[in-house]
Amino acid sequence: GQQVMQIPQYQHVQEGEDFTTYCNSSTTLSNIQWYKQRPGGHPVFLIQLVKSGEVKKQKRLTFQFGEAKKNSSLHITATQTTDVGTYFCAYPPGNTGKLIFGQGTTLQVKP
Amino acid sequence: KAGVTQTPRYLIKTRGQQVTLSCSPISGHRSVSWYQQTPGQGLQFLFEYFSETQRNKGNFPGRFSGRQFSNSRSEMNVSTLELGDSALYLCASSLSGETNEKLFFGSGTQLSVL
Repeated sequence: GQQVMQIPQYQHVQEGEDFTTYCNSSTTLSNIQWYKQRPGGHPVFLIQLVKSGEVKKQKRLTFQFGEAKKNSSLHITATQTTDVGTYFCAYPPGNTGKLIFGQGTTLQVKP
Repeated sequence: KAGVTQTPRYLIKTRGQQVTLSCSPISGHRSVSWYQQTPGQGLQFLFEYFSETQRNKGNFPGRFSGRQFSNSRSEMNVSTLELGDSALYLCASSLSGETNEKLFFGSGTQLSVL
């Protein structure tokens, strides 16, 4: 079946350093979404990528979808303490109604 | 527009008991999904309901069940609680559950089984 691995599991960075999390799939994905969960909070939608090779930016966040639509990444430039949380990729294994989440990458930022 | 509302926020139960959790989706949203979140297993898909029908199901035992009402509100039930059922249960809604729709999550119900 479809398997998506998200790495790394944890990342500790100094404020101002960059951060990247990756999701890698064994099969082609129709689309991929990214969510952020702050400590004690619930997942909040960040973005969706649909097209092969797509790159989207949100301020310091850059999202990429691979050419083969099998991998995706989220890159944060110059992290801030407000970036702390767990970042999840999520993908639909079927046609409707089911979104599967990656294992998540927990980001800690030292001020 | 009000967000996704989950009640109760916290629950403490003992082994063997049963529990019912409630979720009110965003107005107009007809798809409701349930997830179990634990530190070790992450976010695990439980089931998804659309128009009062369970459309998708995850790999959980039959002790986990749910339903959806005509107003799209949903409940999930866990019977014969086990210690391992302690988790944050999250409900999420979307317009119709299409794969290109984003999910809106509630704040969750934190269940502790003693």
